Amino acid sequence: EVDLVESGGGLVKPGGSLTLSCAASGFTFSTYTMTWVRQAPGKGLEWVSSIDSTSRFIYYSDSVQGRFSISRDNAKNSLYLHVNSLRSDDTARYYCAREYTGYNGDWFDSWGQGTLVTVSS
Amino acid sequence: ETVLTQSPATLSVSPGESATLSCRASQSLRRGLAWYQQRPGQAPRLLIYGASTRATGVPARFSGSGSGTLFTLTIDSLESEDFAVYYCQHYDNWPPTWTFGQGTKVEIK
Repeated sequence: EVDLVESGGGLVKPGGSLTLSCAASGFTFSTYTMTWVRQAPGKGLEWVSSIDSTSRFIYYSDSVQGRFSISRDNAKNSLYLHVNSLRSDDTARYYCAREYTGYNGDWFDSWGQGTLVTVSS
Repeated sequence: ETVLTQSPATLSVSPGESATLSCRASQSLRRGLAWYQQRPGQAPRLLIYGASTRATGVPARFSGSGSGTLFTLTIDSLESEDFAVYYCQHYDNWPPTWTFGQGTKVEIK
């Protein structure tokens, strides 16, 4: 069974930094593109960043480009999101998701329960 | 960049009735759409991919259809567990971007 468990969230002051982690199990982690999606309180889903299986291709949304950094360690079956220069509008639950690429699209077939990041002074 | 607009924002339905949710794309989609369900306090769950294929374990009362710019998620005979927020999602090849609609909340009437 696929399991994704996020950790590392917490309360941080504006301008601060955190590293979010996602521990994966139940599948061959090294063969999947992985993604971070966030959800501000009471709001919808927002794609944040994706990294392919070999870390060769990395993408960010415009809202986090230059401030966030995604990485992975296939030997540890782990995904990371280094979040820097945090702002109040970065307050959200951050979900780790596994991406599946099919012949007719790309979608997220497994999700973790998320880790909450709160940016406040 | 493709923008996905979902309607309505909120849908009030009685248990046992059907619900039809729409997702309109700002440009014609060459690749399929996905739909997700998010129950209160839970992570999103994949329901439909490729516009019309149910994900593993998804009940047959959920169906997806559409192509081009208009896509639909239909839920037949709503059960209590179906009252949730539903999101559509699409992937653009270039620039690589994953886009979600703003969501439709299906609430008990």
